[in-house]
Amino acid sequence: EAGVTQFPSHSVIEKGQTVTLRCDPISGHDNLYWYRRVMGKEIKFLLHFVKESKQDESGMPNNRFLAERTGGTYSTLKVQPAELEDSGVYFCASSLSGTGKDNEQFFGPGTRLTVL
Amino acid sequence: GEDVEQSLFLSVREGDSSVINCTYTDSSSTYLYWYKQEPGAGLQLLTYIFSNMDMKQDQRLTVLLNKKDKHLSLRIADTQTGDSAIYFCAETPKYNQGGKLIFGQGTELSVKP
Repeated sequence: EAGVTQFPSHSVIEKGQTVTLRCDPISGHDNLYWYRRVMGKEIKFLLHFVKESKQDESGMPNNRFLAERTGGTYSTLKVQPAELEDSGVYFCASSLSGTGKDNEQFFGPGTRLTVL
Repeated sequence: GEDVEQSLFLSVREGDSSVINCTYTDSSSTYLYWYKQEPGAGLQLLTYIFSNMDMKQDQRLTVLLNKKDKHLSLRIADTQTGDSAIYFCAETPKYNQGGKLIFGQGTELSVKP
C-alpha cells in the first residue's frame, strides 16, 4: 500500500513568486493535515481537512496561503506571493479518524521550500 | 496554552541507553507521541502513550509519563547507529477533536560507534 506522497520534494523560488505543493494521502483516509517546520524549530500545524471540508485552519499564517482538497482526495497548498519567511519543510499527513487510536497520522516525506 | 519543549541535541555511544526528554504545558492532553524522522524521510510514529498510563514498553523503547510534572521521556536501550535521527515529542490536546498534533522542536540524536 502506498504511503503519503508529496510533490515536489524540493522547490526553490524567488520572493514574490507562486508555488503549489501537492499531497496525496493514503487511499481511504478522510483526514488530511498540513504542517510546517521552519529551520530548527517545532513542527507547526497549519490546517486539517475532513474529506473536502476544512475542519480547522487555525494554523494558517496569513491569506497568502490557500489550501484546497477538491473531491476529498489529494490536497494542494498554494503560497502566493511567497515571502522569505515561508521557507521551511511542509509536511502532509493523513489518518483514518480524527480522534483516538485511529488518529495515527502517517506523514509524507515533506516538501522543502526555499524562498530566495 | 499549548507548548512542547525538547532539548535540541543528544549524543551517545553505540550500545549505551539514550534518554530523550520532553515537557508539555497542556494538562488536558489525551495522547502523547514520539515520532522519528530519518534524513530525507517523513515522520514515523514510534510509539504513543495514553494520558492515564505511567509507562509503556515496546522492545527497546520505554516511554515514561509524569503527569504531575508534565514530563515525557523516551528511553532507547542498546542504542544503535541506525537510531540516529530527529525525535519529536507531540501531544493531542483534549479540547481538540480534530486530532491536530502539537510538536516540540525535535531532539537530534547522534549515535557514535
